[in-house]
Amino acid sequence: GAGVSQSPRYKVAKRGQDVALRCDPISGHVSLFWYQQALGQGPEFLTYFQNEAQLDKSGLPSDRFFAERPEGSVSTLKIQRTQQEDSAVYLCASSPTGHGYNEQFFGPGTRLTVL
Amino acid sequence: GENVEQHPSTLSVQEGDSAVIKCTYSDSASNYFPWYKQELGKRPQLIIDIRSNVGEKKDQRIAVTLNKTAKHFSLHITETQPEDSAVYFCAALDTGRRALTFGSGTRLQVQP
Repeated sequence: GAGVSQSPRYKVAKRGQDVALRCDPISGHVSLFWYQQALGQGPEFLTYFQNEAQLDKSGLPSDRFFAERPEGSVSTLKIQRTQQEDSAVYLCASSPTGHGYNEQFFGPGTRLTVL
Repeated sequence: GENVEQHPSTLSVQEGDSAVIKCTYSDSASNYFPWYKQELGKRPQLIIDIRSNVGEKKDQRIAVTLNKTAKHFSLHITETQPEDSAVYFCAALDTGRRALTFGSGTRLQVQP
């Protein structure tokens, strides 16, 4: 079956522009996570959804970052007024249950470059 | 919250040798520890995981050991092959967040 997909794969934005990154999780997966991966580093947690409920957004670096999953499937991560420090790979992951002790399946990521 | 430290940051071995990567974690409540392999420009992929009710798990050439008392866990790869070359990340489940806290990664290079 299809894995987690993300679009676009690459995004170049001018500083100050808004961007929207999309994640299509594996069908039926309850949990959805967004991570930010800087060059040469491990992924860092941004936010977590269980179905359509955003249960944790403590990793979002500023109020310019906003995520939603309105119907409990597709999720969008929006970054307003992008800054150069937002340049990173944004990874989405999904998991079949809500308890966390299952494999998280990662998407290929969106590489965001802010000029 | 959870903090995970990983060593070494780079590791070079000859084909056929073993490789060991070590991680420590800070939250004694953590009870799920996966290892991910990430090839250049690709997505992280799970290679093995361990839960805190076991001390060791093995899958062919890959094994993971967990010492809950010392709060450390290790990845062991035997009979390394060039295709094992990648960045490996350990992680611990932050039970409060239900999200993974990752180590900083180990770049493994297997020389043919």
